[in-house]
Amino acid sequence: GQQLNQSPQSMFIQEGEDVSMNCTSSSIFNTWLWYKQDPGEGPVLLIALYKAGELTSNGRLTAQFGITRKDSFLNISASIPSDVGIYFCAGQLYYKYIFGTGTRLKVLA
Amino acid sequence: DGGITQSPKYLFRKEGQNVTLSCEQNLNHDAMYWYRQDPGQGLRLIYYSQIVNDFQKGDIAEGYSVSREKKESFPLTVTSAQKNPTAFYLCASRHEWVEDSPLHFGNGTRLTVT
Repeated sequence: GQQLNQSPQSMFIQEGEDVSMNCTSSSIFNTWLWYKQDPGEGPVLLIALYKAGELTSNGRLTAQFGITRKDSFLNISASIPSDVGIYFCAGQLYYKYIFGTGTRLKVLA
Repeated sequence: DGGITQSPKYLFRKEGQNVTLSCEQNLNHDAMYWYRQDPGQGLRLIYYSQIVNDFQKGDIAEGYSVSREKKESFPLTVTSAQKNPTAFYLCASRHEWVEDSPLHFGNGTRLTVT
């Protein structure tokens, strides 16, 4: 099945550093979603983006819906240890969602 | 509090047995989905339902079956025909007829078949 290209696959950062990850696709989407998933748990919605060019923040998280509608990025500022987990993107077109393979984030105190 | 409840959290079965995973939501969502998650892969759609008494196959429906008799419930049966059933299964839901309604997930069921 179709998947989104999400990068990086994993990253180790120091506490306090900023983090950036992105997703790209060959398809156009109506909506981009960003989730965080802890081990053994379900994904939790972080940010939803509904319009091309939209820039939305949720606390230390900022995400943007690419102007071409084929990409999106997520930034985390001033990372803290509890930011550890897997972040993944999802593009939506009507009923269908396509998911990235995730970025595994590890924060070193 | 509103949410999506999946049960059980862990499920163990012998090969050849059918098993049913429960998914209940009290968010008044119309659409419900089942996804399978395997290490290193994105979520893959098994089945989805936009309305009661109707459901559609997703990308990997073979060996699975569902029912949607109530708006709140969307159980998934993993049959003995599923060749590699061990995985983490996620149920999700959203408002189908509301614009800009994102997908929300339950906490998952880890199924191990030996």
